Amino acid sequence: QKEVEQNSGPLSVPEGAIASLNCTYSDRGSQSFFWYRQYSGKSPELIMFIYSNGDKEDGRFTAQLNKASQYVSLLIRDSQPSDSATYLCAVPGVGNSGGGADGLTFGKGTHLIIQP
Amino acid sequence: EAGVAQSPRYKIIEKRQSVAFWCNPISGHATLYWYQQILGQGPKLLIQFQNNGVVDDSQLPKDRFSAERLKGVDSTLKIQPAKLEDSAVYLCASSHGLLGYEQYFGPGTRLTVT
Repeated sequence: QKEVEQNSGPLSVPEGAIASLNCTYSDRGSQSFFWYRQYSGKSPELIMFIYSNGDKEDGRFTAQLNKASQYVSLLIRDSQPSDSATYLCAVPGVGNSGGGADGLTFGKGTHLIIQP
Repeated sequence: EAGVAQSPRYKIIEKRQSVAFWCNPISGHATLYWYQQILGQGPKLLIQFQNNGVVDDSQLPKDRFSAERLKGVDSTLKIQPAKLEDSAVYLCASSHGLLGYEQYFGPGTRLTVT
């Protein structure tokens, strides 16, 4: 079974600072990686996905992928109180195989708190 | 574009009763997923459909859970009989497939088993 590990937090970051969220995964064959944001009582919302090694930027969000070390991170610049949520990292597939269309294996999520 | 629709939003039942959840995916999305999210954990895949065929049900407790996707659009997830540990949010998601594998989630159904 695939595993995705995240520090559950809470991670507390002052407003305006950079929030750094990390995720490690067990299956070296994983090719794509997803970050979802989940507000309390709401469903997960896709905010970033990354397929290639390196960085991918979208507004205040940057996803970083290092396949050799099997970790993926999410940076949130200029953190706002509205960024306070749980951030879920996910990879496709549940077994030791799988492609992009497979169901996702999620980590437990990191609870992020942005302090005004 | 309308999102993934689910109903009911909330359900409270007693253990050993049965319950069913309904999902309507985003129009044109061939792939549909059901996830179970227990409080404090990430979603766990229960079953994946491609059109009306099952792709992966390896994590579905088949002695009590069943799901179908007739005509390749709407889907129903059923639990019979329910146990206390089935209390969770049941999330439906869909993806287009050909135009991208990103999954979009519905609002979920919160189930409480007493």
